[in-house]
Amino acid sequence: EAQVTQNPRYLITVTGKKLTVTCSQNMNHEYMSWYRQDPGLGLRQIYYSMNVEVTDKGDVPEGYKVSRKEKRNFPLILESPSPNQTSLYFCASSSTQGAVYGYTFGSGTRLTVV
Amino acid sequence: SQQGEEDPQALSIQEGENATMNCSYKTSINNLQWYRQNSGRGLVHLILIRSNEREKHSGRLRVTLDTSKKSSSLLITASRAADTASYFCARRPTDSWGKLQFGAGTQVVVTP
Repeated sequence: EAQVTQNPRYLITVTGKKLTVTCSQNMNHEYMSWYRQDPGLGLRQIYYSMNVEVTDKGDVPEGYKVSRKEKRNFPLILESPSPNQTSLYFCASSSTQGAVYGYTFGSGTRLTVV
Repeated sequence: SQQGEEDPQALSIQEGENATMNCSYKTSINNLQWYRQNSGRGLVHLILIRSNEREKHSGRLRVTLDTSKKSSSLLITASRAADTASYFCARRPTDSWGKLQFGAGTQVVVTP
């Protein structure tokens, strides 16, 4: 089944403790992206990657890092999480034809930073 | 900041009625996409309309795009209780292929 898989589904952590949220897709998509969703704000783009080793900032990149060493994986790294990063995070992917077919989203990771 | 607005923020209708929601944006776009989200779950792509298109249909969905007014609308005809969800428009700006900018969404409740 074609899908984007995020792990973990839920995560509670403490301020300052580094964490990684993984994202993997099995569709051989070139493009991957991370979003956070907060009430009343919709989805805001954190980082995106056009292909392996090519990443760029979205609208809210502060406090996050990403890497794209393999085509299928696009982990989101919070080196020193803070409570304002408590949010629902989504990973998405598309082929370079995403302009035609849209994006496939993962099921989300609900992160709480205390 | 968000690059546009969705209207209304919430919509409550009965089964069988039509639901219309609107999306406005500020910058030039390459395409505009509509997604559905069921209560905190992942987003599901519904339909994509390119900047040179004016209308598209997919089943009970009809999307229009007016680039002169920088606005789009999504119409769901003959709504069902299963259409209860949040609907988001997402804009791909012409100056950045990698960016996809979402609005705050319209929450639709369809009562039987």
